[in-house]
Amino acid sequence: GDSVTQMEGPVTLSEEAFLTINCTYTATGYPSLFWYVQYPGEGLQLLLKATKADDKGSNKGFEATYRKETTSFHLEKGSVQVSDSAVYFCALREGGGSNYKLTFGKGTLLTVNP
Amino acid sequence: NAGVTQTPKFQVLKTGQSMTLQCAQDMNHNSMYWYRQDPGMGLRLIYYSASEGTTDKGEVPNGYNVSRLNKREFSLRLESAAPSQTSVYFCASSVAGAIEQYFGPGTRLTVT
Repeated sequence: GDSVTQMEGPVTLSEEAFLTINCTYTATGYPSLFWYVQYPGEGLQLLLKATKADDKGSNKGFEATYRKETTSFHLEKGSVQVSDSAVYFCALREGGGSNYKLTFGKGTLLTVNP
Repeated sequence: NAGVTQTPKFQVLKTGQSMTLQCAQDMNHNSMYWYRQDPGMGLRLIYYSASEGTTDKGEVPNGYNVSRLNKREFSLRLESAAPSQTSVYFCASSVAGAIEQYFGPGTRLTVT
């Protein structure tokens, strides 16, 4: 079945450092890929998405490129801020019709220190 | 526009007790979902409802039942709670055919 593997945390960085969180996936077809973010005490929010190979999703300074050849969707940010401290989830979606089931990775906790 | 709301925020149950977690959305979404989040496990889908009047099992449905009461509301029931059901429960919704799911703030449930 479908699965998502993301790097284990926790990840601790200093403000303005470069961030990479690795994500690879296994899927039978051509899934859509997502990064969700969960701030402390809140539900998940969609951060960015890519629906086909070579698409780049971007939002709030974060970027991720859908690489079909390496089945990867790594999250990057050039300069992190304290406010980026959160748990980041990589996810994929297969299937069509009117329902969309997401398969999530286990999450990576990011802490950014001033 | 409140988005997705969940009640209660916190709950403590004894083994064998029952309870219902409530979820409502005001975005006119067709599809709704229940997930559980456990440390080191990510989110796992319990049940989902593609549209009003339909429900389907997800990855971990055992011990749970759901009701899609109407288009707005989707409840999750634990008939006989067990310590293994201690978790944070999230409800989510999406427009049919859309990519993005919108999540509620979660219910933290402890079963002793």
